Amino acid sequence: EAGVAQSPRYKIIEKRQSVAFWCNPISGHATLYWYQQILGQGPKLLIQFQNNGVVDDSQLPKDRFSAERLKGVDSTLKIQPAKLEDSAVYLCASSLGSGAAYEQYFGPGTRLTVT
Amino acid sequence: AQSVTQLDSHVSVSEGTPVLLRCNYSSSYSPSLFWYVQHPNKGLQLLLKYTSAATLVKGINGFEAEFKKSETSFHLTKPSAHMSDAAEYFCVVTPVSGSARQLTFGSGTQLTVLP
Repeated sequence: EAGVAQSPRYKIIEKRQSVAFWCNPISGHATLYWYQQILGQGPKLLIQFQNNGVVDDSQLPKDRFSAERLKGVDSTLKIQPAKLEDSAVYLCASSLGSGAAYEQYFGPGTRLTVT
Repeated sequence: AQSVTQLDSHVSVSEGTPVLLRCNYSSSYSPSLFWYVQHPNKGLQLLLKYTSAATLVKGINGFEAEFKKSETSFHLTKPSAHMSDAAEYFCVVTPVSGSARQLTFGSGTQLTVLP
């Protein structure tokens, strides 16, 4: 089965610019997650969707970050405007359900560099 | 609240010798615990998981981990390291119950395998 797809794989922007990342989860997976992984740290959950509804966005910096999952399949994560501290790898993951019994499958990530 | 502490940021072993990656956790609820592996430029992959069944958990590629509630530990072991085991390993905790089961990642342990 195809894995979680993410694009672009790499992105370099200047601070105050905007950027968007795209994720296509595994077919049939109802739950989708966006994580931020800063160099030297473990991934941190930004937002969790169940179908097209938000389950948890408590750690999403809502003044500059937004995410949507229209139609409950693909998702986009946007940063506007970007700051230097947003430099990180942005990981998308999906699972069949939201319980601990459901394995999360991760995409390869998008590496963002903000200069 | 939940947290994970990976006690070593870097571990170096010789090929064919045992591997021990240490993890301590803190959780207000009964936890589910996971180990994920991240190879360079690849997505995170689940190695094994503990979800309140057997305390000794076997995973892929010969890895196993033992849940010790009295020590709040979930150390990852492998009897004999292989060169392909070189990667970053993350210990992860999440509560067993709840609708939004956020994964909390440790800061990671970089495993180097020497020839």
